[in-house]
Amino acid sequence: QQQVKQSPQSLIVQKGGISIINCAYENTAFDYFPWYQQFPGKGPALLIAIRPDVSEKKEGRFTISFNKSAKQFSLHIMDSQPGDSATYFCAAGGGNTDKLIFGTGTRLQVFP
Amino acid sequence: DAGITQSPRHKVTETGTPVTLRCHQTENHRYMYWYRQDPGHGLRLIHYSYGVKDTDKGEVSDGYSVSRSKTEDFLLTLESATSSQTSVYFCAISGDRTTEAFFGQGTRLTVV
Repeated sequence: QQQVKQSPQSLIVQKGGISIINCAYENTAFDYFPWYQQFPGKGPALLIAIRPDVSEKKEGRFTISFNKSAKQFSLHIMDSQPGDSATYFCAAGGGNTDKLIFGTGTRLQVFP
Repeated sequence: DAGITQSPRHKVTETGTPVTLRCHQTENHRYMYWYRQDPGHGLRLIHYSYGVKDTDKGEVSDGYSVSRSKTEDFLLTLESATSSQTSVYFCAISGDRTTEAFFGQGTRLTVV
């Protein structure tokens, strides 16, 4: 019940396009849903996060959409740039757990 | 950058030997986590700590133990290393379970 499922595993997008990564969780008690970005050789870093009291959060070109009833949330990267090429992880935590559980990651490649 | 340091950064060890990885923080954060990162599996939680001497198991705890005798240090021990424990290990710290988790640079461990 602690799992977080992420898709797709890899994504290739042309510069200027929209990148969409999806995640689904099982534990309805989770109340914190962050997205992390990781570049090769580095540790993951927080990109944007959302709590279940809102359905959408936008920061610049990055938007999280949250569907509480479906237990799903997604990351949208608008106007994707080559510098966005990285691995993206969704995660879920809080609620009735001290754990922060990550998805399996999505490798995004943005071509010029 | 958050004050979090992992040591060593790289290690090669032989099967059956004990190995200890260290995570040191200067942020006085309550929560500390150990993850392993493997292709296709994303970040999997090994153990975590929610205070001094307070630890609990994550998703993949078999073969690993941890200790936290003071706020700033969280040790991960492989009692008898196996080839399946070859991985990149990340430590993360967080002041609260629903706020940003800061990751270290990772430790690449190879068990031969």
